[in-house]
Amino acid sequence: QKEVEQDPGPLSVPEGAIVSLNCTYSNSAFQYFMWYRQYSRKGPELLMYTYSSGNKEDGRFTAQVDKSSKYISLFIRDSQPSDSATYLCAMSAQAAGNKLTFGGGTRVLVKP
Amino acid sequence: DGGITQSPKYLFRKEGQNVTLSCEQNLNHDAMYWYRQDPGQGLRLIYYSQIVNDFQKGDIAEGYSVSREKKESFPLTVTSAQKNPTAFYLCASSPTWAGDEQYFGPGTRLTVT
Repeated sequence: QKEVEQDPGPLSVPEGAIVSLNCTYSNSAFQYFMWYRQYSRKGPELLMYTYSSGNKEDGRFTAQVDKSSKYISLFIRDSQPSDSATYLCAMSAQAAGNKLTFGGGTRVLVKP
Repeated sequence: DGGITQSPKYLFRKEGQNVTLSCEQNLNHDAMYWYRQDPGQGLRLIYYSQIVNDFQKGDIAEGYSVSREKKESFPLTVTSAQKNPTAFYLCASSPTWAGDEQYFGPGTRLTVT
């Protein structure tokens, strides 16, 4: 079993809908959580960075961390066709410094 | 503009040849990383460097080598010992080696035939 699980999708939504993405993990030591957006043949772009549990909002993006359930989420409001991409979650444990463990990514398609 | 540059964007090599991928950052970050991405898989860590003149093996270091002689540069050599070198290679950096967010370059797609 992988340390970080992420549904590969594709997740198809109509323009303007809320996109809901999530990752589950098994390592209770993870404390730093990141979400990246990756367009085809491009490098990942950092969207959200959170430490420990709680919510964080930035524009149309909201990240949630539930450490008790070992579950993190990313919500994208008012989705646009330009949000069509692969979304990667990543996390690290304090003891491991900055060694990130990535999920496999979820492909999202926003249809006009 | 501050950022991470990788060159070349596409690279083609014959089997048995070593090849070096370039990564440069002007963000004044201490830590740098190399990842490999294969279709349908997450990123896997090859090597990382916490500070100049220091580097450590990641999860899949066999067949690769790196150097970190300057703070802004972290080149990766894919040697002939790497059994499946065809992949998308990504370089990243972070301000420190202390749970900071990592920023990625545009990537190099290496094809070995």
